[in-house]
Amino acid sequence: GAGVSQSPRYKVAKRGQDVALRCDPISGHVSLFWYQQALGQGPEFLTYFQNEAQLDKSGLPSDRFFAERPEGSVSTLKIQRTQQEDSAVYLCASSLSASGPSGANVLTFGAGSRLTVL
Amino acid sequence: KQEVTQIPAALSVPEGENLVLNCSFTDSAIYNLQWFRQDPGKGLTSLLLIQSSQREQTSGRLNASLDKSSGRSTLYIAASQPGDSATYLCAVRDYGGSQGNLIFGKGTKLSVKP
Repeated sequence: GAGVSQSPRYKVAKRGQDVALRCDPISGHVSLFWYQQALGQGPEFLTYFQNEAQLDKSGLPSDRFFAERPEGSVSTLKIQRTQQEDSAVYLCASSLSASGPSGANVLTFGAGSRLTVL
Repeated sequence: KQEVTQIPAALSVPEGENLVLNCSFTDSAIYNLQWFRQDPGKGLTSLLLIQSSQREQTSGRLNASLDKSSGRSTLYIAASQPGDSATYLCAVRDYGGSQGNLIFGKGTKLSVKP
């Protein structure tokens, strides 16, 4: 596709419900990233995939958060037993390169999924 | 732990003014630093990326500088326009972080008045 697509754009959940957020990266992009952005804050890194491999999940805040990218394209971020502190915008980004640490990593971001937990 | 701070948190200027946004980081061991723009309800757009070995990058009316030793970067916007109104975010990638493990500041919300 032309850009990174995220769905749903808005999700309201009752505390304790499970939610699933979807990210369609740009076709052919090897790397995919999830970020969490709370109101008035900068984005915070959650996890990183290179193709289907989850290479870094150090930012996932708890074991209620789970991400997958089984075929190396679409990714799903799942949050179990949602809590009010999970309310945030969840941003997905992708990049063409799988370059090493010294490479430039220009990311293309989606518009985000805004989660509100009541 | 790396921390990124952006000053000011908000800025309002008249159209045509030149302005500077500031970003500071606590650990100078970075691979690169990026400036992003975020419009309400939209994702982030990368504006400029400066590798750790570089001092500055320019794109159109934007110029970003990096002083790694002092842990500072500035984004200079020349001849500001109302369309420049957005939140500007600075992010660094540490040597210890994986690709995409960017550490962001809270941003500077810029408003350019016609």
